[in-house]
Amino acid sequence: DVKVTQSSRYLVKRTGEKVFLECVQDMDHENMFWYRQDPGLGLRLIYFSYDVKMKEKGDIPEGYSVSREKKERFSLILESASTNQTSMYLCASSWVREGEQYFGPGTRLTVT
Amino acid sequence: QKEVEQNSGPLSVPEGAIASLNCTYSDRGSQSFFWYRQYSGKSPELIMFIYSNGDKEDGRFTAQLNKASQYVSLLIRDSQPSDSATYLCAGGSGYSTLTFGKGTMLLVSP
Repeated sequence: DVKVTQSSRYLVKRTGEKVFLECVQDMDHENMFWYRQDPGLGLRLIYFSYDVKMKEKGDIPEGYSVSREKKERFSLILESASTNQTSMYLCASSWVREGEQYFGPGTRLTVT
Repeated sequence: QKEVEQNSGPLSVPEGAIASLNCTYSDRGSQSFFWYRQYSGKSPELIMFIYSNGDKEDGRFTAQLNKASQYVSLLIRDSQPSDSATYLCAGGSGYSTLTFGKGTMLLVSP
């Protein structure tokens, strides 16, 4: 079974803090993704990575950055957290870019 | 702009009935389609995928694809209260990441 893990299930941070969300997959997938999910807006792609050290912007990259130093690990960074970044953050991985994605359990981030 | 459209619901069905969830997509280049189930507060879980026109059955689930009409559906037979969740449809082409619909909420009443 594919396993995708995320570093925290719940996180509370203050406005202006730098926030790191980590994701690890154990299936040697080439592709990894970061989404946020908000009521009524669905899943929105923030960034994805198709190889180590490679990344591409998704639909809503502003205010976020990513890092992929190892194949199994993909980190999402909020440089200066703001209240409008309060959301559920979901990491996913897949063998091919357009193929089925497997999701981690999600991190519910609250920025106060 | 590639889009995947789903009725947000809720779709309410009684226990034991067939639930029919529908999805349309705008990108004619889409080749692969996926259905995810998402329980409240949880992450999406892949339940089916379909690449070819026609039907694909897996237990109580049947996925249907009609590329000419750009239409994908998921049928759930003998619906159970445990099937109550939001169902996400996603489409993929060979040159881009998956495009997800916003999901349809299904409520199965005992």
